Amino acid sequence: ETGVTQSPTHLIKTRGQQVTLRCSSQSGHNTVSWYQQALGQGPQFIFQYYREEENGRGNFPPRFSGLQFPNYSSELNVNALELDDSALYLCASSARGPYNEQFFGPGTRLTVL
Amino acid sequence: QQQVKQSPQSLIVQKGGIPIINCAYENTAFDYFPWYQQFPGKGPALLIAIRPDVSEKKEGRFTISFNKSAKQFSLHIMDSQPGDSATYFCAARRAAGNKLTFGGGTRVLVKP
Repeated sequence: ETGVTQSPTHLIKTRGQQVTLRCSSQSGHNTVSWYQQALGQGPQFIFQYYREEENGRGNFPPRFSGLQFPNYSSELNVNALELDDSALYLCASSARGPYNEQFFGPGTRLTVL
Repeated sequence: QQQVKQSPQSLIVQKGGIPIINCAYENTAFDYFPWYQQFPGKGPALLIAIRPDVSEKKEGRFTISFNKSAKQFSLHIMDSQPGDSATYFCAARRAAGNKLTFGGGTRVLVKP
């Protein structure tokens, strides 16, 4: 069974640029959630995708957007990067259901200069 | 609005000691409470989870105690080992959605 994978591992961008982060969900999982984890803090929910549609969103501006593909992999796009966007971005996949565990990937460390 | 408050921020214990981490929540719609362990450079990994109809759950050396009336829950790590040194997060989720709301984390250091 292949776990959740994310790419790239690390990324450095400058303010105002755009970035795309990628996530491959665990085999058999059809739901992908994205979280932002600032240094020294707990993860914050960005949004979730199910059947290629956004299925819930946290308190993040529209410049954070996403996609889910037919194979359930997902992308997180962030436009007009700000310094405060520097964080670890985590992807979690799960099977559909109220108590199904979310399995997290190792994350992508984004640094905005 | 911080819906899940976690304390302490950091904890140091000797090997064999019992670190205790506490969390409090506000939203009574939460009905699933997992704990995650995170090592540096890794994503969070589920340790143990509890539902509010149970007051205690044990899995190996990890125990969750749950007090529904006080809206509080805690993690105990029995016979702690240096390999348990990590950051621990409590979280809460509503069954109707899949969004996890995390606490701020507790960095635990177990000294040999």
